Amino acid sequence: EVQLVESGGGLVQPGESLRLSCAASGFTFSDHYMDWVRQAPGKGLEWVGRSRNKGNGYTTEYAASVRGRFTVSRDVSKNSLFLQMSSLKTEDTAVYYCARGPYCNSNFCPGPFDYWGQGILVTVFS
Amino acid sequence: DIQMTQSPSTLSASVGDRVTITCRASQSINTWLAWYQQKPGKAPRLLIYEASSLESGVPSRFSGSASGTEFTLTISSLQPDDFATYYCQQYHSYSLTFGGGTKVEI
Repeated sequence: EVQLVESGGGLVQPGESLRLSCAASGFTFSDHYMDWVRQAPGKGLEWVGRSRNKGNGYTTEYAASVRGRFTVSRDVSKNSLFLQMSSLKTEDTAVYYCARGPYCNSNFCPGPFDYWGQGILVTVFS
Repeated sequence: DIQMTQSPSTLSASVGDRVTITCRASQSINTWLAWYQQKPGKAPRLLIYEASSLESGVPSRFSGSASGTEFTLTISSLQPDDFATYYCQQYHSYSLTFGGGTKVEI
């Protein structure tokens, strides 16, 4: 059974940093793209960033709103995905979801998010 | 970024109604489009991928279609469990984007 479990959320002040973790199980972690998606209170879904699979060198992509402040990484030995967030702003307040992207065996792998974690709340307050 | 314009933002319906939600992409995305259902306090659930393919375990009353850059999610006969918010998402470009959501309420 595929499971994604986020941790590391909490309350921080603007300008501070926070690292979210996502523990993955039930599938071959290195074969899939992995993503972070967030949802501000009462708002819609916003894609945050991606880590591609091993075959694509675990390269990353980011939404313009977080590029240069957030970093997505993996620890393959622990089947864990991370989101390092720095220079946090009040507008980063949201529930952050870890989501499994497509299985990939080439260099172009379009696909949806088929499994999601339960989400973790990050609150940035001044 | 590719913009996804979803309509309506809110939809009032009754059990048994046929419901249609539309999503329009700002440029061609082929059929690289997914639909998700989200209930309050829960993570989204994948319903449809590649515009019209039904995810395993999703009831057959859900269907998706595409015409150019316009995509449609149809619920053939609305059930009590279907009252939720629905999102479209394109995965054509490196920068993934969602529609603004459609809340289906009683």
